[in-house]
Amino acid sequence: DIQVTQSPSFVSASVGDRVTITCRASQSIAGWLAWYQQKPGKAPKLLIYAASTLQTGVPSRFSGSGSGTDYTLTISSLQPEDFATYYCQQANSFPSHFGGGTKVEIK
Amino acid sequence: QMQLQESGPGLVKASETLSLTCTVSGGSINNSDYYWGWIRQPPGKGLEWIGTIYYRGGTHYNPSLKSRVTISLDTSRHQFSLNLRSVTAVDTAVYYCARLYLALDLWGPGTLVTVSS
Repeated sequence: DIQVTQSPSFVSASVGDRVTITCRASQSIAGWLAWYQQKPGKAPKLLIYAASTLQTGVPSRFSGSGSGTDYTLTISSLQPEDFATYYCQQANSFPSHFGGGTKVEIK
Repeated sequence: QMQLQESGPGLVKASETLSLTCTVSGGSINNSDYYWGWIRQPPGKGLEWIGTIYYRGGTHYNPSLKSRVTISLDTSRHQFSLNLRSVTAVDTAVYYCARLYLALDLWGPGTLVTVSS
């Protein structure tokens, strides 16, 4: 199995802040990483796939980067609607594990 | 526009089998571009990938659940299903079905299944 480790598990930030979340795979996943946003009581929503491709309709303040084993989700200027929990998922091979999640809360 | 909807009992007794169905509407479940998957989330915890099925029937399962899980497809009813055997309290979770195309790009709203003793 390819495991994914996400950090940090918690971020306290203010509106307008730049936020960065990282995900590390236990072996190379060749860019096959996805990022999701989940709000309480809702299903996760796909933000980014293939490490850096923005899903249709996702605001451009979200961006993804990385290669090999190390990946990053960046929110360039945090908006009130961005306070949520974020998950990464490796999509290189089955089983397709998720990271443990990062909760972004209001400072 | 394609939509997914989970259905099934919200309460299952310990040691019994949890059975859920995901109904696909607004599109074809036979599309060769897609896999179909199940994911769960225990209350207050993170996401756990359960497994996926391809339209031709090939399956992949989380090794931690593999001995208890079966995912199947009924193309005539536009549905795919999850069976999880011998459940215990740790199987209490919100269960989501989802479409996999490069990533999990379409999700059902989820259904809470509670395992009672």
